[in-house]
Amino acid sequence: AQSVTQLDSQVPVFEEAPVELRCNYSSSVSVYLFWYVQYPNQGLQLLLKYLSGSTLVKGINGFEAEFNKSQTSFHLRKPSVHISDTAEYFCAVTSDTGRRALTFGSGTRLQVQP
Amino acid sequence: NAGVMQNPRHLVRRRGQEARLRCSPMKGHSHVYWYRQLPEEGLKFMVYLQKENIIDESGMPKERFSAEFPKEGPSILRIQQVVRGDSAAYFCASSPPGQGSYNEQFFGPGTRLTVL
Repeated sequence: AQSVTQLDSQVPVFEEAPVELRCNYSSSVSVYLFWYVQYPNQGLQLLLKYLSGSTLVKGINGFEAEFNKSQTSFHLRKPSVHISDTAEYFCAVTSDTGRRALTFGSGTRLQVQP
Repeated sequence: NAGVMQNPRHLVRRRGQEARLRCSPMKGHSHVYWYRQLPEEGLKFMVYLQKENIIDESGMPKERFSAEFPKEGPSILRIQQVVRGDSAAYFCASSPPGQGSYNEQFFGPGTRLTVL
């Protein structure tokens, strides 16, 4: 079984400040990891994914994440946020066993203030 | 290339009625997934289908819920005799066919079901 923990339910931050959204996972097998963004009343959009290779993954909109196997973490970072980054962010995991269901964390609401 | 389409976007039902949610995958995608998002929670996997086959239904409630993906037409998630606890956003995702263990899932805008 897999699980995902997003440690912060809300993260307020000022515009142009850096931000880190934390994600930890547990799994007994190798995993693929994802970050999705959800704007109000919309579906999910993929920000970035880790499948294999380099542990530092760059995504869209200036976001990046680092896979840390020893700490079972996949934290999302952005060096300078914009008002338009205000949204809900979900970390998700699936295994490399062929079972395709994604397991999601409970989400982190990023609130960017002017 | 149109994305994943879901309809209706909003659906209101009274307790005991049936709810039918439709999902048209992206062109060329033959895999469909349904997820449910309860208020203030993350998405929970319900079912994974390929054309005319249910591959993984480990997240589906045992009663009242069913899903299909016919050879022609959209995938349908059906909820019979709805109860207030079924109120949620239901998201469909699709992915292309492939031999690898992972294919990226593209999400639709969701159907928000409200049970009165």
